[in-house]
Amino acid sequence: GDSVTQMEGPVTLSEEAFLTINCTYTATGYPSLFWYVQYPGEGLQLLLKATKADDKGSNKGFEATYRKETTSFHLEKGSVQVSDSAVYFCALWMDSSYKLIFGSGTRLLVRP
Amino acid sequence: ETGVTQTPRHLVMGMTNKKSLKCEQHLGHNAMYWYKQSAKKPLELMFVYSLEERVENNSVPSRFSPECPNSSHLFLHLHTLQPEDSALYLCASSQRPLGTGEVEQYFGPGTRLTVT
Repeated sequence: GDSVTQMEGPVTLSEEAFLTINCTYTATGYPSLFWYVQYPGEGLQLLLKATKADDKGSNKGFEATYRKETTSFHLEKGSVQVSDSAVYFCALWMDSSYKLIFGSGTRLLVRP
Repeated sequence: ETGVTQTPRHLVMGMTNKKSLKCEQHLGHNAMYWYKQSAKKPLELMFVYSLEERVENNSVPSRFSPECPNSSHLFLHLHTLQPEDSALYLCASSQRPLGTGEVEQYFGPGTRLTVT
């Protein structure tokens, strides 16, 4: 079945370091891909999305490119801040389905 | 109020209690979702309602009973829960999917449930 695999955390970085959180997916069709972020004590918020191959989603300095050939949607940010500390979820959505399938989440800790 | 709200934010209940979780969305959406978030596990989709009709029931035990009286409100009625049901229960809403992939789900802050 359809699934999403994320790198295990926590990922611990110093402020201004470069961030990569890996995400790969398995799907029978052509899903839309999303990154959600969950700050402590809050629900999930949509961070960015891409709906077709080679699309790049971006928001708040974060970027991810939909790579069909490697079935990946890695999240990157050039310079992280302490305020980016949160749990990041990669997810896929199949057309004609109500299911948003999530990865297990990756916790990011950014130290001053 | 804006977005998706959930009450209560925290709930402790015994295994013989009956309680309800409430979700309300102020976004004009017509689909609503219940998810269960347990430690170190992916989010689990429990129920989906579209236009107030249940369209997804993901093999959830009958001790969880959803109710969607209108497109803005969603309830999760809890009865005779087990300790392993302790988790964060998240509600979300979206426009009804029309097969375009352009669907975003908006989440509430969740209810932290502890079953003793």
